Amino acid sequence: AQKVTQTQTSISVMEKTTVTMDCVYETQDSSYFLFWYKQTASGEIVFLIRQDSYKKENATVGHYSLNFQKPKSSIGLIITATQIEDSAVYFCAMREGWGYQNFYFGKGTSLTVIP
Amino acid sequence: EAAVTQSPRNKVAVTGGKVTLSCNQTNNHNNMYWYRQDTGHGLRLIHYSYGAGSTEKGDIPDGYKASRPSQENFSLILELATPSQTSVYFCASGRRISNERLFFGHGTKLSVL
Repeated sequence: AQKVTQTQTSISVMEKTTVTMDCVYETQDSSYFLFWYKQTASGEIVFLIRQDSYKKENATVGHYSLNFQKPKSSIGLIITATQIEDSAVYFCAMREGWGYQNFYFGKGTSLTVIP
Repeated sequence: EAAVTQSPRNKVAVTGGKVTLSCNQTNNHNNMYWYRQDTGHGLRLIHYSYGAGSTEKGDIPDGYKASRPSQENFSLILELATPSQTSVYFCASGRRISNERLFFGHGTKLSVL
């Protein structure tokens, strides 16, 4: 069973608008960590932002923020004031518990920002 | 910033041949991982390691072996390459602490003909 699911295969938005990418996860652990990564056109995978399950506040880094809805097992990525260079594939990932070593990745959402 | 270097960047292999993909990290991370990326599947874990001398099977280990001779180096070995192993392979490293992120290499594009 897929532990991390991204249902949006691709999204197109106009430049300078706000976009939300969805991600839902499955876990039995009381403590877990959620990550978003960006894969650029060159193939490079870079870390964007993290949410710790025990924190109620939504994480924010630059123009990236998260919408963490724990009862729904959902972690949405919000990009405000999108730029052309935000066009990329975005991956959601989860790591369970303390000391568990594996990351589970979603299949990714391709974002195209239209000028 | 942690550095993860993969070699080669591109590789063409013949069916039945042996392929070795190499990964080196310079940030003294305990954990290292090999993923493959295919359209429609995202990143799938092949093997991972907790440290020198250890290798563990991931979700899709069949047809692959791994070797971690040192803290810095982690190799993925295809003893008998098949066309179904044509893919982009990513190496990643990270600390043991669960809330720590992964650092990825730039990927190796492997074509098995």
